[in-house]
Amino acid sequence: LAKTTQPISMDSYEGQEVNITCSHNNIATNDYITWYQQFPSQGPRFIIQGYKTKVTNEVASLFIPADRKSSTLSLPRVSLSDTAVYYCLVGASYNNAGNMLTFGGGTRLMVKP
Amino acid sequence: DAGVTQSPTHLIKTRGQHVTLRCSPISGHKSVSWYQQVLGQGPQFIFQYYEKEERGRGNFPDRFSARQFPNYSSELNVNALLLGDSALYLCASSLGQNHNEQFFGPGTRLTVL
Repeated sequence: LAKTTQPISMDSYEGQEVNITCSHNNIATNDYITWYQQFPSQGPRFIIQGYKTKVTNEVASLFIPADRKSSTLSLPRVSLSDTAVYYCLVGASYNNAGNMLTFGGGTRLMVKP
Repeated sequence: DAGVTQSPTHLIKTRGQHVTLRCSPISGHKSVSWYQQVLGQGPQFIFQYYEKEERGRGNFPDRFSARQFPNYSSELNVNALLLGDSALYLCASSLGQNHNEQFFGPGTRLTVL
């Protein structure tokens, strides 16, 4: 399984755009990149998944360069409620074989007023 | 619709005891996975069950066991509890065996004294 490296923590202010970068140098051809969000005392919540280039949904955007060795989760105009831990995962896509998610340490995002 | 539910919310046990944690998946979901999350770390995969059979197992000792019932609910059992078993135990459900867009419950906080 490809290992991921993320910053341990980040600080931001309300209304700013936040970009969290994840390194995954050993990503395999069939691997997808998935991001989860976790609030204190809650289970992780799926945010977004992508394979290459750019993916956007109502919550975030995911940018993946051509070599796929890194990815960037972009949260537009964060609010205090976006304070959470964000996990970058690399592995099978959500409709491919395998159901085991491998979480790293995550990035603890603190949004300040 | 109700999300994934887990019981109990909190539990305190002493070393050497046994514990049973319970999980009810989202209606229609047939796959249940269990994760252990130690404070300050990302969740670690323990088991996946689909159609009442074990389909995946993480790197956990035999003291950990689980089962899935005909209604797709699941139990996680841990025998001979150790202090290091203190953690948040998360249950996640998904539509099928091969879907890793998993929906997590709020977890059971286990404290071993």
